[in-house]
Amino acid sequence: GAVVSQHPSRVICKSGTSVKIECRSLDFQATTMFWYRQFPKQSLMLMATSNEGSKATYEQGVEKDKFLINHASLTLSTLTVTSAHPEDSSFYICSASLETDSDNEQFFGPGTRLTVL
Amino acid sequence: GESVGLHLPTLSVQEGDNSIINCAYSNSASDYFIWYKQESGKGPQFIIDIRSNMDKRQGQRVTVLLNKTVKHLSLQIAATQPGDSAVYFCAGNKFYFGSGTKLNVKP
Repeated sequence: GAVVSQHPSRVICKSGTSVKIECRSLDFQATTMFWYRQFPKQSLMLMATSNEGSKATYEQGVEKDKFLINHASLTLSTLTVTSAHPEDSSFYICSASLETDSDNEQFFGPGTRLTVL
Repeated sequence: GESVGLHLPTLSVQEGDNSIINCAYSNSASDYFIWYKQESGKGPQFIIDIRSNMDKRQGQRVTVLLNKTVKHLSLQIAATQPGDSAVYFCAGNKFYFGSGTKLNVKP
């Protein structure tokens, strides 16, 4: 159980286009999802916290107009990279929070590799 | 904010030996720490967690030690196997990740 999927797994686009990445919790409902980006050989960097039915909370230095996040349902959050440029090329990872009576654990998606030409 | 870091970027061990991966944190307000494993090209995978009111927790082949006095935690992997080769991250309060340690297991 507690599986998180991402789509697409890999995308290549031209500079100036927008790319949408989906994150789904397949077998549980997640009121909170998180978006990270990861550059090669570096750690995950939290970009934003996405709460179902409300605006996302962005980390300092992350442009909310550049990285649009929508969390329309308890199982789906989307990240749209608008007007993508080569410097946006990265590995984007989402996670979904599963709350139980005793714990609150994050489950990660497999990641989306974005390459902007 | 949270600052979590790791001492060594790469650790090489012989198959069958024990591995110890270290992590330091700066925010003493963290009440929860997690170790993640990330294989190349994949998302992180939960390994084990520990709350700040504990100093040790054991899982299957893994043990996490927390020293709040020096703000340090470690991940011990017993009888390291080739499948353990990956990058290991510690995270404080689940959201902020250390820089990662790459574990290479030599056959």
